[in-house]
Amino acid sequence: VQLVESGGGLVQPGKSLKLSCSASGFTFSSYGMHWIRQAPGKGLDWVAYISSSSGTVYADAVKGRFTISRDNAKNTLYLQLNSLKSEDTAIYYCARGFGFSDWGQGVMVTVSS
Amino acid sequence: DIQMTQSPSFLSASVGDRVTINCKASQNINRYLNWYQQKLGEAPKLLIYNANSLQTGIPSRFSGSGSGTDFTLTISSLQPEDVATYFCLQHNSWPYTFGAGTKLELK
Repeated sequence: VQLVESGGGLVQPGKSLKLSCSASGFTFSSYGMHWIRQAPGKGLDWVAYISSSSGTVYADAVKGRFTISRDNAKNTLYLQLNSLKSEDTAIYYCARGFGFSDWGQGVMVTVSS
Repeated sequence: DIQMTQSPSFLSASVGDRVTINCKASQNINRYLNWYQQKLGEAPKLLIYNANSLQTGIPSRFSGSGSGTDFTLTISSLQPEDVATYFCLQHNSWPYTFGAGTKLELK
């Protein structure tokens, strides 16, 4: 199992960014997937979940601003981040399945002017 | 939201010691509790799922117990490579929530 995040970077408040998580080593279409984030020096916060049938759930802190999606043909998970705030600055991880059994290495998102 | 209260926040122990870390849920989460290990600069790694099931490839010195609201992660004999931060996660109900973490250091 391998999960590789990409798309992070420095972005101004109010702007947008799209993260990707490329999956391999398992049947991607059969698994629900999560995004989790970790602010610098802080603990872990669950962000969003998408089921194998593309049903979605969001944390209140990102609801209406972030959108999780998937492309099973490309074995890729996405997170669209809109209306970014400084408090969204974090390492963003993707993880596999209900039990978060496998994690990517993470991608840094910095929101700053 | 279910609050996960993890204790202690910091723990210093010697090689060979028995170490216990606790998580308390603000309401019943049955056995839907996982434990993760995160070493500095790395992604978290699943150790224990559903309160007491050892993830494949994890050493048997790690074990989990509990149900309902009170859970424990035990390291039976601490090894130098166990230095890390440990997190619990409840996946009983949305939003899933993590404990704040326990930083484990060698004495």
